[in-house]
Amino acid sequence: DTEVTQTPKHLVMGMTNKKSLKCEQHMGHRAMYWYKQKAKKPPELMFVYSYEKLSINESVPSRFSPECPNSSLLNLHLHALQPEDSALYLCASSQQAGGHLSYNEQFFGPGTRLTVL
Amino acid sequence: DQQVKQNSPSLSVQEGRISILNCDYTNSMFDYFLWYKKYPAEGPTFLISISSIKDKNEDGRFTVFLNKSAKHLSLHIVPSQPGDSAVYFCAASFGGSNYKLTFGKGTLLTVNP
Repeated sequence: DTEVTQTPKHLVMGMTNKKSLKCEQHMGHRAMYWYKQKAKKPPELMFVYSYEKLSINESVPSRFSPECPNSSLLNLHLHALQPEDSALYLCASSQQAGGHLSYNEQFFGPGTRLTVL
Repeated sequence: DQQVKQNSPSLSVQEGRISILNCDYTNSMFDYFLWYKKYPAEGPTFLISISSIKDKNEDGRFTVFLNKSAKHLSLHIVPSQPGDSAVYFCAASFGGSNYKLTFGKGTLLTVNP
């Protein structure tokens, strides 16, 4: 299994809603990532989990809350988002975060298209 | 400050010919470079990578060349196929922070039948 899966594919939410994005991989990877991608822009790193511990938070607002329940799962909890948070949210995984260079090749899921009204 | 630059937003080539996608970087600490392909409404797909100790890496129709002195890398696709039409992102990372990929803005490749 070489896939990273993400649910839901599409999500529309109001600014007062609470929702969660889910990501799963069964490749035995120990590093997982959340990225945000706006139209015609490159992916921007939000969070990195290494061995189920948060190792990087790229100064992301607290209305985004990541969670790594186990080595295969990564969640992104959303609360009180703004319309400018509408974007494609991508999850990725790699064998490790750090170490041998080839271990850091990141495999991406298909993304969740989020619209905040 | 954009540390990874893809100066061509788009490129159009004929099927069977060579596609050359270019990428420049400014951070001399980068030591690992990757190319990703992205179709609309899908996540990026890893294509090929190269470390700074090499100047060429080949995988089937895809070859990446690295010129460290010029801080330039390129992706060659030979022969180009219509299914290669996608946005191609160049990404870079460096030792000690290898988990952080810095992406270029991407180049839209269109391969015409």
